[in-house]
Amino acid sequence: NAGVTQTPKFRVLKTGQSMTLLCAQDMNHEYMYWYRQDPGMGLRLIHYSVGEGTTAKGEVPDGYNVSRLKKQNFLLGLESAAPSQTSVYFCASSRRRGLYEQYFGPGTRLTVT
Amino acid sequence: DAKTTQPPSMDCAEGRAANLPCNHSTISGNEYVYWYRQIHSQGPQYIIHGLKNNETNEMASLIITEDRKSSTLILPHATLRDTAVYYCIVRAHNTNAGKSTFGDGTTLTVKP
Repeated sequence: NAGVTQTPKFRVLKTGQSMTLLCAQDMNHEYMYWYRQDPGMGLRLIHYSVGEGTTAKGEVPDGYNVSRLKKQNFLLGLESAAPSQTSVYFCASSRRRGLYEQYFGPGTRLTVT
Repeated sequence: DAKTTQPPSMDCAEGRAANLPCNHSTISGNEYVYWYRQIHSQGPQYIIHGLKNNETNEMASLIITEDRKSSTLILPHATLRDTAVYYCIVRAHNTNAGKSTFGDGTTLTVKP
């Protein structure tokens, strides 16, 4: 099992550009999450999904959109990137609700200039 | 969600037990205590969770006080690979993750 994978690992964007981050999991988990982690800080939840075709807002959803068209994939989109979105983005999945045993991917390091 | 307080940093000698404290004095009756850790530049890793009874798994033990206002994560024989940031989070078990901030955590440094 690959677990949770994230694509790409690194990306540099210019202000106003758009991009999509891909998260894939092969554990057949129902729940998937996107977090961001700013330097020296803990993780904050952006959006999450409780199953295929569903999405919901987390703590810091502004400036991001998500889609879960397939159970194994969770996409995070930035329509018009801003320097404030410079961060490390982590995807996670779990078989149960909430914080129980979430499996995290390796992260995507995004810089917006 | 209840607020948690953790010391910003701790040191531990390799091979000794590491005891990481967490205060959560405003915890509600249906809220669990979760512990995750994050090794430098990696994604967080789930360690353990508990409601009111002490819990043990292959990674660690979790001791929750009787009044549930504080807890301690114990790594029985710390190794250099246990150097990481440890997050204590309090949340109800079966709620959706509408707000799921990990906070600042405790940086544990295991020294040879």
